[in-house]
Amino acid sequence: KAGVTQTPRYLIKTRGQQVTLSCSPISGHRSVSWYQQTPGQGLQFLFEYFSETQRNKGNFPGRFSGRQFSNSRSEMNVSTLELGDSALYLCASSARDITPQSPLHFGNGTRLTVT
Amino acid sequence: LAKTTQPISMDSYEGQEVNITCSHNNIATNDYITWYQQFPSQGPRFIIQGYKTKVTNEVASLFIPADRKSSTLSLPRVSLSDTAVYYCLVGYQAGTALIFGKGTTLSVSS
Repeated sequence: KAGVTQTPRYLIKTRGQQVTLSCSPISGHRSVSWYQQTPGQGLQFLFEYFSETQRNKGNFPGRFSGRQFSNSRSEMNVSTLELGDSALYLCASSARDITPQSPLHFGNGTRLTVT
Repeated sequence: LAKTTQPISMDSYEGQEVNITCSHNNIATNDYITWYQQFPSQGPRFIIQGYKTKVTNEVASLFIPADRKSSTLSLPRVSLSDTAVYYCLVGYQAGTALIFGKGTTLSVSS
């Protein structure tokens, strides 16, 4: 079974630009969540989607948004990039919508560098 | 949401058993306890999950006392490749965000 796939693996953007990151969950998983990881703040929750609906949102500004498609693939978008947005962005899929204790399965992330 | 507290770092030598304890004083009745391992520049990887007593799989054991206010991840005979960050995560309810703590950085030396 293929794991969680995140694209692109690396990205370099300039301040003020916007970026879209993509996540393909494990086949059959309908729950997708996103995390931002930085050395200082650790793993911070961004948002979670079940069946195309955002179920939870972390404490991030409105510049961070996401969506989920009918095939459970998800994208997150960051507009008006700031230097502080440089981070590893991780996507996780699970079957939490069916079995709440189902573990998260993470991709290897997208490393975003904002210059 | 159950908040978790873990040691920031631990050191060990190859071949030793390592026990990492996580405190979760306000764990809810339905909450499960899940541990993840993360290597640099990779996503966290599921290690083990439990609800009560003891759970064992091929890589680790998880000990949960009766009051469930803490849990201990036990790694038998660690090797250099076990050097990683270990996260304890407590939660259950669908629709409730799973929040990671700071994790424990385990360093294994030869």
